[in-house]
Amino acid sequence: NAGVTQTPKFQVLKTGQSMTLQCAQDMNHEYMSWYRQDPGMGLRLIHYSVGAGITDQGEVPNGYNVSRSTTEDFPLRLLSAAPSQTSVYFCASSYSGLYGYTFGSGTRLTVV
Amino acid sequence: ELKVEQNPLFLSMQEGKNYTIYCNYSTTSDRLYWYRQDPGKSLESLFVLLSNGAVKQEGRLMASLDTKARLSTLHITAAVHDLSATYFCSCLGGGSEKLVFGKGTKLTVNP
Repeated sequence: NAGVTQTPKFQVLKTGQSMTLQCAQDMNHEYMSWYRQDPGMGLRLIHYSVGAGITDQGEVPNGYNVSRSTTEDFPLRLLSAAPSQTSVYFCASSYSGLYGYTFGSGTRLTVV
Repeated sequence: ELKVEQNPLFLSMQEGKNYTIYCNYSTTSDRLYWYRQDPGKSLESLFVLLSNGAVKQEGRLMASLDTKARLSTLHITAAVHDLSATYFCSCLGGGSEKLVFGKGTKLTVNP
């Protein structure tokens, strides 16, 4: 049982490049979400999904796209990376939220 | 809009002492969570509080929820060095799946 798997763990991008952060879970969780963590800011919600085919914006969605074609996968796309997107990104999943959220190990992204 | 505030943001304790971290939230919420994060690591779920008056305990940590006061507390009993970490509370707004986090409390337990 792998839980929530995020890839890559580290990434350096140049300004303007695009990339996709991958998130997969094998627990059949309906809820999945993406957060960014910046020093002194806690975790801020980027996008979330309550099931396959359903996504919605969180607190800081600009510059990011998501899709949820399967229950297992919830990729986060950076369309044109900017230095302000330098952060640690966490993916999380939950079965209805009653049992808490399981977090992936994170992706540390640097945009230069 | 749901806002979550934790205090203190930084806490330095001596081993053996007791202390409480507070988590206030601004609108009705029916689920509150506490997490622990070690430096450079992911978040580990500690407690899930689902109803008014809920109290959960694990080792030296005890969490409680007062939905009328919109307040949750994380109480640390007889702190030990291994409890040094950053603790986050988070909650869902009523009817929403948007999970909002506090800024975290960085706890340092000194020998």
